[in-house]
Amino acid sequence: DADVTQTPRNRITKTGKRIMLECSQTKGHDRMYWYRQDPGLGLRLIYYSFDVKDINKGEISDGYSVSRQAQAKFSLSLESAIPNQTALYFCATSDPGPRGNFGETQYFGPGTRLLVL
Amino acid sequence: KQEVTQIPAALSVPEGENLVLNCSFTDSAIYNLQWFRQDPGKGLTSLLLIQSSQREQTSGRLNASLDKSSGRSTLYIAASQPGDSATYLCAVMYSSNTGKLIFGQGTTLQVKP
Repeated sequence: DADVTQTPRNRITKTGKRIMLECSQTKGHDRMYWYRQDPGLGLRLIYYSFDVKDINKGEISDGYSVSRQAQAKFSLSLESAIPNQTALYFCATSDPGPRGNFGETQYFGPGTRLLVL
Repeated sequence: KQEVTQIPAALSVPEGENLVLNCSFTDSAIYNLQWFRQDPGKGLTSLLLIQSSQREQTSGRLNASLDKSSGRSTLYIAASQPGDSATYLCAVMYSSNTGKLIFGQGTTLQVKP
């Protein structure tokens, strides 16, 4: 089984609808991230969480919210979807290095392809 | 502004050729740099991670180098194979306190049999 799973894998929705993308991990990592990928722009960080009680905005958090329900679960919500939120969304996890820093790599889920009409 | 750029955006080579993918970053005060592979319909897979104090890392046919002073990293792929066809992403971490990665746009590689 995959260490980082995302549901749904594909989603089509209409402008103004509220949707939730879910991420689960079995790696036991405290740190989780949500990114979006647009053609030609690489991945950009939306939100990240260091533990269940910690939520931090990334570089493009407007229009999004997150919930860290448990160590293993991190959900991304679009309160009122708009067409420019059409993108590929990735969840990732990481574990701190020996000194509690972020020297270790991030492990990514398979992505959710979202289309907002 | 901290930016990461990858050139070229796409590359097509015949099987067996050695090739180099380039990554440049605007701020040389990096913490680490990572190379990822992205296959269609799948997530990103980490290939190599270079700490700021290192000059290169090797894994099999892959070798990644880092030159902080010039703001450049290269990923060298030896004896390319059709299975190497994928998008390769470079990502830079500037702070060990946030874990935030800044990604390049990626280079899509096609290795023809």
